[in-house]
Amino acid sequence: DAKTTQPPSMDCAEGRAANLPCNHSTISGNEYVYWYRQIHSQGPQYIIHGLKNNETNEMASLIITEDRKSSTLILPHATLRDTAVYYCIGLIYNFNKFYFGSGTKLNVKP
Amino acid sequence: AAGVIQSPRHLIKEKRETATLKCYPIPRHDTVYWYQQGPGQDPQFLISFYEKMQSDKGSIPDRFSAQQFSDYHSELNMSSLELGDSALYFCASSLFGVPYEQYFGPGTRLTVT
Repeated sequence: DAKTTQPPSMDCAEGRAANLPCNHSTISGNEYVYWYRQIHSQGPQYIIHGLKNNETNEMASLIITEDRKSSTLILPHATLRDTAVYYCIGLIYNFNKFYFGSGTKLNVKP
Repeated sequence: AAGVIQSPRHLIKEKRETATLKCYPIPRHDTVYWYQQGPGQDPQFLISFYEKMQSDKGSIPDRFSAQQFSDYHSELNMSSLELGDSALYFCASSLFGVPYEQYFGPGTRLTVT
């Protein structure tokens, strides 16, 4: 499993884009990058995943660098409800267990 | 839309007692996962099941056991409870072949006194 490194916390103004970085320099060619978030004491929630192409869904966009050593999760218009811990996980596809690292605590402020 | 159901939501037990946590996955989901989250910690994977068979194992103590039944619901049995077992226990479910998209339940908060 790829070791991932994320900043412990970030602030973002409500309505602005939140850009959450993740370093995964040891990621191998068949490992995907997954993003989950956990709002206080709730179960983690799947956000998005990708291999090497940028991905977008209704929640967020995922930008992966060409060398795949890092990625950025983008919440285009952060709201107060996006305040949560965001986890970046590197894992082989179809590998059915997640190891959550320390994550980034995103504080969205009015 | 139906979500993962966990029961009970809160449970208080004394040291050395036993506890059973239940998880009912989203309809048609055939894979169930259990995670433990201690106070101020990140979720830790315990164990997973697919089609009633254990599919993967994480940092689950020997005092804990789990199983998945024919209706796909799962139970986590915890014996000889210790103070350190106090935590939030999450169950998640997914479709086989789509393990990256796990849907988590609201969790069971276990307090051991």
